[in-house]
Amino acid sequence: QSALTQPASVSGSPGQSITISCTGTSSDVGGYNYVSWYQQHPGKAPKLMIYEVSNRPSGVSNRFSGSKSGNTASLTISGLQAEDEADYYCSSYTSSSTPRFGGGTKLTVL
Amino acid sequence: QVQLQESGPGLVKPSQTLSLTCTVSGGSISSGGYYWSWIRQHPGKGLEWIGYIYYSGSTYYNPSLKSRVTISVDTSKNQFSLKLSSVTAADTAVYYCARTGDGYTSDYWGQGTLVTVSS
Repeated sequence: QSALTQPASVSGSPGQSITISCTGTSSDVGGYNYVSWYQQHPGKAPKLMIYEVSNRPSGVSNRFSGSKSGNTASLTISGLQAEDEADYYCSSYTSSSTPRFGGGTKLTVL
Repeated sequence: QVQLQESGPGLVKPSQTLSLTCTVSGGSISSGGYYWSWIRQHPGKGLEWIGYIYYSGSTYYNPSLKSRVTISVDTSKNQFSLKLSSVTAADTAVYYCARTGDGYTSDYWGQGTLVTVSS
């Protein structure tokens, strides 16, 4: 079972906005409003940033937002900060009861 | 605040069984409402679901690992465990335990433990 498709890398300057895409199929991303996004700094565990497409857990900055259109979900980070430099993974519920992760995107803050 | 902590050997020999335990604090596994998951990450790679268990003992395993995986729960100790048999070098990874809710969203994670398969 292949991973959801994410760009390998994205970059942006401090203060700018970036968007990371996560493309699946109608059996996962497109079929359910259960897309999550995780941030992972080197050597650390993933941290939940967005759940159910667009909801932020308590304590997560409102600079992080999520959306979905068809089979593609997106994570947008506005007002980019140095501390946002990390790997980002999407995850989706699937019709086969096997959760799927994206391949991950490395965000570089220039 | 829920906390999870993985424990177990960091080195396992090929063909042997990898065994890890996740101890949960700040919340009770038996209170229900959540699945308890194992997820791994190969060095420099992405995340891979291994499987999850409900407090009742019902489980779901990744089909690609199903023949080698067993996940169990001990509600009296507030722990759940992973056994992966017949390991090879391809099973070398950081193993995470996590609390998983609706839509497979994992909101609390352990710090992760590196397991190396080598003779």
